[in-house]
Amino acid sequence: QIQLVQSGPELKKPGESVKISCKASGYTFTNYGMYWVKQAPGQGLQYMGWINTETGKPTYADDFKGRFVFFLETSASTAYLQINNLKNEDMATYFCARYGEIPGDYWGQGVMVTVSS
Amino acid sequence: DIVMTQSPSSLAVSAGDKVTMSCKSSQSLFSSEYQGNYLSWFQQKPGQSPKLLISLASTRETGVPDRFIGSGSGTDFTLTINSVQAEDLAVYYCEQYYSYPPTFGAGTKLELK
Repeated sequence: QIQLVQSGPELKKPGESVKISCKASGYTFTNYGMYWVKQAPGQGLQYMGWINTETGKPTYADDFKGRFVFFLETSASTAYLQINNLKNEDMATYFCARYGEIPGDYWGQGVMVTVSS
Repeated sequence: DIVMTQSPSSLAVSAGDKVTMSCKSSQSLFSSEYQGNYLSWFQQKPGQSPKLLISLASTRETGVPDRFIGSGSGTDFTLTINSVQAEDLAVYYCEQYYSYPPTFGAGTKLELK
């Protein structure tokens, strides 16, 4: 069955970097893009951007240009989100989701990132 | 970007109630080329990831109970839950994918009365 399995929770200090993984299984990884969604505590869903898994080209939403990086390890059917120079406002749960004709038909379980000094 | 506005922000219900919630978009989501409205509804329970319930405004995903009904076209959409069950308590989000970037509404929280 189709699954997106994300890495575990992270505790980081401001200024550090964090790398979150999203491993896909049950389908051909390169046939669907992957998008990333941020959910701050008690808040709604915010689209961060997506990565074309065929070409590796990332596209970032305006609020996520600069410190956020999407990349792939295609041989492992895995997409990554890296956040550099962490800020308090990055504290959130980050989801990956499959991006096909119907965006978000499958989601990862989410990764909670805590930023605290 | 297309702005999605959901109402109400919360709804107190009892088991067995019929519930309707609204989602309005700042521009039409109807594609005349593909004859469909590019709108999805998601359900998110506490501590879980969102689950796709309905796509193309009214197409239920496999396994979604038929008490969930999506309707509407253009800029006005509705999610109806006939005979709410306890397991339906969650936050419901609409999302448009007519134009890039996809955008979500702020959600409607279904709570127990």
